[in-house]
Amino acid sequence: QQPVQSPQAVILREGEDAVINCSSSKALYSVHWYRQKHGEAPVFLMILLKGGEQKGHDKISASFNEKKQQSSLYLTASQLSYSGTYFCGTEQWDRDDKIIFGKGTRLHILP
Amino acid sequence: GAVVSQHPSRVICKSGTSVKIECRSLDFQATTMFWYRQFPKKSLMLMATSNEGSKATYEQGVEKDKFLINHASLTLSTLTVTSAHPEDSSFYICSAREAGNRQYFGPGTRLTVT
Repeated sequence: QQPVQSPQAVILREGEDAVINCSSSKALYSVHWYRQKHGEAPVFLMILLKGGEQKGHDKISASFNEKKQQSSLYLTASQLSYSGTYFCGTEQWDRDDKIIFGKGTRLHILP
Repeated sequence: GAVVSQHPSRVICKSGTSVKIECRSLDFQATTMFWYRQFPKKSLMLMATSNEGSKATYEQGVEKDKFLINHASLTLSTLTVTSAHPEDSSFYICSAREAGNRQYFGPGTRLTVT
């Protein structure tokens, strides 16, 4: 079951904040977040394994609400380098280590 | 972070020929590797799960006879696109899972079938 990401696309000015949501209709074991720049492979951002877990580095953080089967990625004081497509990948309890990715959220940061 | 390499990075082949793509985990052992396919501006679609020493598990709709996967060692998995056709042109990305559950992606291989 492919997770649903929202919004599909966001345009921000440098310094503004953004939230990207990821939700699943199935119980989740973990949530993975990646960022992909045009023409490049996805780059790992973080993994959330426990319900209620929050993680972050620099000004990018994420939370995982296991009960609601959803995760959110928070980008604070966005920088030009944050532009790209963000994918959440979810691993279900019965999926044998497979990560299924959402359709992605395109983020464009304007100077 | 862990490094995963793919070779070649770009390949152009004629319709009807076969192409082999290699995926290597360079600084860790990966018992499980995954193969994804991505069309322009689309998401990553999981094609198959590759386990060292056993047969790959294919996702629904993926032809196992067309996309041959071999996981010869803990650091190497290969994807062979057999009898390639123009509709097989795509960006193929592998990933390798380390012991800590993190999954690292290779740089991808862009396949163009003419």
